[in-house]
Amino acid sequence: DGGITQSPKYLFRKEGQNVTLSCEQNLNHDAMYWYRQDPGQGLRLIYYSQIVNDFQKGDIAEGYSVSREKKESFPLTVTSAQKNPTAFYLCASSSGTLSEQYFGPGTRLTVT
Amino acid sequence: QKEVEQNSGPLSVPEGAIASLNCTYSDRVSQSFFWYRQYSGKSPELIMSIYSNGDKEDGRFTAQLNKASQYVSLLIRDSQPSDSATYLCAVNYNFNKFYFGSGTKLNVKP
Repeated sequence: DGGITQSPKYLFRKEGQNVTLSCEQNLNHDAMYWYRQDPGQGLRLIYYSQIVNDFQKGDIAEGYSVSREKKESFPLTVTSAQKNPTAFYLCASSSGTLSEQYFGPGTRLTVT
Repeated sequence: QKEVEQNSGPLSVPEGAIASLNCTYSDRVSQSFFWYRQYSGKSPELIMSIYSNGDKEDGRFTAQLNKASQYVSLLIRDSQPSDSATYLCAVNYNFNKFYFGSGTKLNVKP
């Protein structure tokens, strides 16, 4: 089955720790994205990548980092510099310019 | 900052009625438009995409786009309780960068 997987589904961390969220897709999509969603709010773009070994900051990139070493994978690291990391993190992919995005199931991160 | 505006709701409709969801966007160069459905605690699921002015129908769903008025809407005919969810409007501005509205919560009452 083609799709996007994210792991883990739930993640708990202590303040001051870095944490890496996994995102893998087997849709052969070139573009991949990371969003953050807070309760009652829409999606905010953290980072996106249109091609392997290249990525761009979105609107709220501070405190986050990404890599795109393989077409299938786009991991997101939430660093200790992110002030309010507790949120629902969504990974998405699309096949190209103007195309629809498809989402993974999400990772719910709680930092205490 | 690109703006995508939606009424947060909740929008309540009786079962079998037509639900009308609206979205406005700020940038005239927007080229593609999408509606997503998101159940509580789940990730967004694509319902419709629309690229040109006019109506596009898919089953019980109709997307309507008016680029001159910078307005996109979603009509859900014969609404069912299973349609109760938050509906997100998304706009693609350029180079594959999407902006999302905050969503409209729809309640379909049996």
